[in-house]
This record gives sequence, structure tokens and C-alpha cells, in this order.
Amino acid sequence: NAGVTQTPKFRILKIGQSMTLQCTQDMNHNYMYWYRQDPGMGLKLIYYSVGAGITDKGEVPNGYNVSRSTTEDFPLRLELAAPSQTSVYFCASSPQGHYEQYFGPGTRLTVT
Amino acid sequence: QKEVEQNSGPLSVPEGAIASLNCTYSDRGSQSFFWYRQYSGKSPELIMSIYSNGDKEDGRFTAQLNKASQYVSLLIRDSQPSDSATYLCAVNTQGGSEKLVFGKGTKLTVNP
Repeated sequence: NAGVTQTPKFRILKIGQSMTLQCTQDMNHNYMYWYRQDPGMGLKLIYYSVGAGITDKGEVPNGYNVSRSTTEDFPLRLELAAPSQTSVYFCASSPQGHYEQYFGPGTRLTVT
Repeated sequence: QKEVEQNSGPLSVPEGAIASLNCTYSDRGSQSFFWYRQYSGKSPELIMSIYSNGDKEDGRFTAQLNKASQYVSLLIRDSQPSDSATYLCAVNTQGGSEKLVFGKGTKLTVNP
């Protein structure tokens, strides 16, 4: 199993550009999550999903959108990139009925 | 606002010593507690989980939980330079949404 995979690993965006961060898991986990991690600030939950077709906002959803059309994929969309979105983004998944989360390798995003 | 507090450190211990990492949480309804290890530039990796009061040992790692005091700790025995990393405490939120709240992490340095 590859676990949780994320693409791209690195990306530089100009202000106002859009992009999609991809996340795929092959563990048949129902729950998936998107976090951002800023230096010294810990992990902040952006959006999460409890299954295909069901998504909900986390702590810091503004400026982001998600969709969950399959169990495996949970892409994160940035519509109008802003410098405040410069961060490291992690996708994670967990099996239904359990709370432990397994993380992907992350995407380092810079908006200039 | 449910919170998880950790001493940010840095915590510095000599090789072979015991490293003690501490975490307190605010939600009395929390039932699941996790420790993640995060090397610089990498994603969080689950190393311990604990659900009941008392101690849980796994190799050189021991997790300790005291729900009455809302306190969870991680002991690393015979610390090695390869244990140098940031350790994140995570606690589930009450309500069955399978969300975790993460502390900001404690940076551990093990000196040879």
C-alpha cells in the first residue's frame, strides 16, 4: 500500500492564481482531512470528509474548497491565492470508527 | 474552544537519558490520545496511541494517561540522536466526528 499520497510536493503561485492540491489514499479509509501547518502554529484543520459526497468545514476554511467524489480522492482547491496561504499542506485519512490519522508527505506552497 | 497544550521547548537531553514530553487537554469528554513524531521537513508519523488511564509501553516509548488530571505524557527511554524531532500530542474531539485537536508540538534534541 502507498498509504496517503499528495501532489505536487512543491508549488509557487502568483497572487490571484488558482490550483488544486491532490490527495489520494489506498487504505479504503472513510475519513479524510486537510490541514495546514505554519511555523510554530501547529496543525490547523481546513476541511474534512466522512465519506464520498460529504464534506464539512474545519477551523480555517476561508479561501479553500473541497470535493469528495470517491472514497480514495480528496482534492483541495485554492481559487484566488493570497500570500496568507503560504504554508505546508497535509492530507490525512483515518478508518471509520477509529481516531488515529495517517498523513501524506505534504505539499509546500508559496504564494508571491 | 477545545485546546491541547504542550511545552514548545526546545527540550534537550543527552544520549541515553529519558526524555519526558507533556500534554494537557481541555475537553473532559476526550477518549483517544495520540503522539506523533515529526522530523524537520516531513509529515507527522503516528508513534503511540492510548485510550485508558495508566501506562502503555511500546519498545523505548511509554505513553501515560491521567483523565482526571486531563494529562497525557510520552516518555522516551535510552534517547537516541535519531529521536530528535518535534512531538505532537493529539486528542479526539467529543461528538463522534473523528476530528483530532493537535498541540503545537515540543521540539526534542538528543545530544550525542
